[in-house]
Amino acid sequence: GIQVEQSPPDLILQEGANSTLRCNFSDSVNNLQWFHQNPWGQLINLFYIPSGTKQNGRLSATTVATERYSLLYISSSQTTDSGVYFCAVSNNAGNMLTFGGGTRLMVKP
Amino acid sequence: ETGVTQTPRHLVMGMTNKKSLKCEQHLGHNAMYWYKQSAKKPLELMFVYSLEERVENNSVPSRFSPECPNSSHLFLHLHTLQPEDSALYLCASSHERGLGSGSVFFGPGTRLTVL
Repeated sequence: GIQVEQSPPDLILQEGANSTLRCNFSDSVNNLQWFHQNPWGQLINLFYIPSGTKQNGRLSATTVATERYSLLYISSSQTTDSGVYFCAVSNNAGNMLTFGGGTRLMVKP
Repeated sequence: ETGVTQTPRHLVMGMTNKKSLKCEQHLGHNAMYWYKQSAKKPLELMFVYSLEERVENNSVPSRFSPECPNSSHLFLHLHTLQPEDSALYLCASSHERGLGSGSVFFGPGTRLTVL
């Protein structure tokens, strides 16, 4: 099956700093989503981005499908950004998501 | 209520108990999923229902039994579980399985502890 790798696995930032999270995948995809998992376990949709670039406030994401990677940018980080960020993809077989291992982000005040 | 809801949010059960997890989606979707998140492991897909028919079962042990009575409700029946089944169980929904079907939305999860 498709493989998804995220980097870095852990990231510590000072409040106000910017960061880039990366997601590499091993096959072509037709669905790629970024999620933020809060401390209570809820997976919150950030972006549906199988290709192209999207922005939502301080967050933006870019997927280069031909090169099989996606990037999530967090600007002016806040303590509430802390948590685990997951990239998940599905291939042409359907909408069943395969998740990466996540990036655990801690933003310090 | 909106989105995807799950009950109970927390569950502690013994290995001989039988319990059920419930999921309900209010998004008009017709595909629903169960995922399992164990400590230090990636989220794993357990079951997929599309148009109320099970279309995927990723070699899940028979002590987990899903039920999808309609496109808005999904259950996971649990019996004779093992301590290693302790995990966060997440329900999700989306439009029907197919090419470019769009976003998958998750419920808040049920944190299960098996004693």
